[in-house]
Amino acid sequence: LAKTTQPISMDSYEGQEVNITCSHNNIATNDYITWYQQFPSQGPRFIIQGYKTKVTNEVASLFIPADRKSSTLSLPRVSLSDTAVYYCLVGAPYGGSQGNLIFGKGTKLSVKP
Amino acid sequence: NAGVTQTPKFQVLKTGQSMTLQCAQDMNHEYMSWYRQDPGMGLRLIHYSVGAGITDQGEVPNGYNVSRSTTEDFPLRLLSAAPSQTSVYFCASSADRGGFNEQFFGPGTRLTVL
Repeated sequence: LAKTTQPISMDSYEGQEVNITCSHNNIATNDYITWYQQFPSQGPRFIIQGYKTKVTNEVASLFIPADRKSSTLSLPRVSLSDTAVYYCLVGAPYGGSQGNLIFGKGTKLSVKP
Repeated sequence: NAGVTQTPKFQVLKTGQSMTLQCAQDMNHEYMSWYRQDPGMGLRLIHYSVGAGITDQGEVPNGYNVSRSTTEDFPLRLLSAAPSQTSVYFCASSADRGGFNEQFFGPGTRLTVL
C-alpha cells in the first residue's frame, strides 16, 4: 500500500486559502487519493476523493499532477471551524487489490482569527 | 438514517477481561472496518469486511476478532484485554460505487484497559 507524507502542522488565518500537500511516490495505478477531516473526539469525515487532474466540490478542491506522486488539498477562505486534522489517504477502493485505505498521522491545521 | 452507530461510548476494562464493541450501520453498505486511534496518531486499520461472511486482517489485527454475520453489524471482540489496547476505536462503513469510496465513521468508543 502506498505510504503518504504530509506536514505535521500548518497555521493559517481566517479568510486565507490553505493548501496542504501530500506526497505519495509509490502510488499504484489503481489507487485513488482521498482526504478526510477529523475534529477532536469525532470520527473522520470524508472531504474529497480523486484519481487525476482536478476535483472540486462545495468544500474543497483536490489537485493531482500528471505523475500522481503528490496531491494538494485546497481549502478556500478558511474559518475557525476548519481547525482540524486533515488526512491524506492513498489506496484502492474496496474491491481492488486489498480493499482498505491507510491513514497517516495527518496535518493539524490551526486557523487563527 | 442513523448512519454508523457504536456502543458503548466509553468502557473501562481490567487486564485479561474480554468484551465486544458493537458497530451497526443502516445504509446497506457492503464494506465495514474497524480502526484504532492512539493519542497524537492517525487511525490504524484492525480488521475489515467486504461483505457478510467475509473478513480480513488490517494493519494491527493481533488481540482482536471480528465476524460479519449480517450486512448491518460488525462487532469487534477483544479476547483478553491488555493496557496496550487502550485507545479510541472507530467503526466505518462504505459502499462500492465503482471506484468512489467514501467511508462513514461512527462516533467512536473510548476504551481504557487498566
